[in-house]
Amino acid sequence: GIQVEQSPPDLILQEGANSTLRCNFSDSVNNLQWFHQNPWGQLINLFYIPSGTKQNGRLSATTVATERYSLLYISSSQTTDSGVYFCAVSPYNNNDMRFGAGTRLTVKP
Amino acid sequence: NAGVMQNPRHLVRRRGQEARLRCSPMKGHSHVYWYRQLPEEGLKFMVYLQKENIIDESGMPKERFSAEFPKEGPSILRIQQVVRGDSAAYFCASSPRGVRTDTQYFGPGTRLTVL
Repeated sequence: GIQVEQSPPDLILQEGANSTLRCNFSDSVNNLQWFHQNPWGQLINLFYIPSGTKQNGRLSATTVATERYSLLYISSSQTTDSGVYFCAVSPYNNNDMRFGAGTRLTVKP
Repeated sequence: NAGVMQNPRHLVRRRGQEARLRCSPMKGHSHVYWYRQLPEEGLKFMVYLQKENIIDESGMPKERFSAEFPKEGPSILRIQQVVRGDSAAYFCASSPRGVRTDTQYFGPGTRLTVL
């Protein structure tokens, strides 16, 4: 089955720093989403981005489908950005989303 | 438009009891997905349902687990004779169309603890 690899697994930043999270996937996909799981366990949709670039405030994402990767950019990080960031993909002819193992982000004041 | 609702948010069961987890999708969404998250891990797909039909249950354990999405009412994930290894967070997601073309929206999850 498709492999979804996220890097880095852990990231510690000072407030105000920028970061780039990466998601590599091993096969063609219909759908790619980025989620933030906050410290209370809630999953928050960040982007639906099977291809192209999107921006939402301090966050932006780019997916290069032909090269099978996606990047999530966080600028001017805040302590509330802490949590786990998951990339999830839906392979062609599949009915489900496959999640990566996540990047655990800690933003220190 | 209310989001995906799940209840209960926390459920404690003793070994051998039954657990029933409920999920009400967002209004207008007829596609429901269940995922399980073990501690410190990503989410793993369990089952995909549309109204009254199971479309894909390839991620469901073969025994003790079942799911339904009746014509009226919420989707139910049922775990019979729970064991300690069933302790996990169970998330439900919904989308207006299938996941191949649509965003999935997740509920807050049900955290099951088996004593």
